[in-house]
Amino acid sequence: SQTIHQWPATLVQPVGSPLSLECTVEGTSNPNLYWYRQAAGRGLQLLFYSVGIGQISSEVPQNLSASRPQDRQFILSSKKLLLSDSGFYLCAWSSGTDSPLHFGNGTRLTVT
Amino acid sequence: QKEVEQNSGPLSVPEGAIASLNCTYSDRGSQSFFWYRQYSGKSPELIMFIYSNGDKEDGRFTAQLNKASQYVSLLIRDSQPSDSATYLCAVRWTASKLTFGTGTRLQVTL
Repeated sequence: SQTIHQWPATLVQPVGSPLSLECTVEGTSNPNLYWYRQAAGRGLQLLFYSVGIGQISSEVPQNLSASRPQDRQFILSSKKLLLSDSGFYLCAWSSGTDSPLHFGNGTRLTVT
Repeated sequence: QKEVEQNSGPLSVPEGAIASLNCTYSDRGSQSFFWYRQYSGKSPELIMFIYSNGDKEDGRFTAQLNKASQYVSLLIRDSQPSDSATYLCAVRWTASKLTFGTGTRLQVTL
């Protein structure tokens, strides 16, 4: 069966510090991968999605970036965090263009 | 701007009753529709998906889709306190993207 791992679970970082969140999927090949952010009391905002290695589509222009160095690995990064980057970051995968998304456990990021 | 609208709630129903959650969407070309449940502090988990007009049943859950009216609903029969959560509606309008509503908070009271 497929599983998705996301870490760390919680993170507290000062403003201006870098960020790296990692997500890996097991039990499937060539998944579509996604990064979403959920701000407190708000809906899920799509940040990035990838349909293959090295293929990244960005949905929101901001100080975040994503990379997919391997088929089942998706990384979310920032060089300098802002207070507004605080939120619940969710990695998700799907097996195809019309398949449901399956989420990891999420990373709760607090920028202080 | 593709939009998915949900009443934020809370929707309060007594234990054993039917909970009805509704969602409307703006893009007539949307093809796939999903319901997720999210407990406080946790990540969303898939409950159901529906692609065709009509009803789709899975246990206590029934998803209903009406593309002409651009709404999708989720019925929960025999509601239990463990069903208390936020329910997210999601709509796929391109091959790769899902747009989520902000969710409806459901409270099942004893």
